[in-house]
Amino acid sequence: AQTVTQSQPEMSVQEAETVTLSCTYDTSENNYYLFWYKQPPSRQMILVIRQEAYKQQNATENRFSVNFQKAAKSFSLKISDSQLGDTAMYFCAFSNFGNEKLTFGTGTRLTIIP
Amino acid sequence: DAGVIQSPRHEVTEMGQEVTLRCKPISGHDYLFWYRQTMMRGLELLIYFNNNVPIDDSGMPEDRFSAKMPNASFSTLKIQPSEPRDSAVYFCASSLFSEAFFGQGTRLTVV
Repeated sequence: AQTVTQSQPEMSVQEAETVTLSCTYDTSENNYYLFWYKQPPSRQMILVIRQEAYKQQNATENRFSVNFQKAAKSFSLKISDSQLGDTAMYFCAFSNFGNEKLTFGTGTRLTIIP
Repeated sequence: DAGVIQSPRHEVTEMGQEVTLRCKPISGHDYLFWYRQTMMRGLELLIYFNNNVPIDDSGMPEDRFSAKMPNASFSTLKIQPSEPRDSAVYFCASSLFSEAFFGQGTRLTVV
């Protein structure tokens, strides 16, 4: 069974700074997907970024980028120029290729300080 | 598309009552998932469907929980009888090509 571990329960950073959230996972599969979801106080789960394991290039979406290290089974999220609206719970998630169910980590609560 | 639509947004019920949560997935999506979120257990997958067929219900906690997907545009999650420990936020999500979108969730409180 796949597992996803987020070892940072809480983080805080000053507005405009850069922050990196950590995620490790365990799987015996070679083809899979990794995701970061954001859950603001409104509780809506919002897809932030997605990475296909077969792609060596790290995914980026505006201020959000990932550092995907397949051999180390590591998938960190970097938020640049952090904004107050980035305050939320962030969940790392995994799904196998061909099976779309998601396995989530326990989340990191990120607070952006004005 | 309006996204995944769940109803109700909030539900407060008494222990022993039947509760039905509803979900309308995004049109064209072929997977539908029901998740439960609690402080103690985080996000748990309860059941998921592929093309309206239940694929894996191993996450359904007890026989009190049941889920149906009678057609591609509607699914229900039913709890009968409800218990206080069922209090949680229940999310429905749908996906296509491994990209899942979530509804806004139903906050269930059983008193």
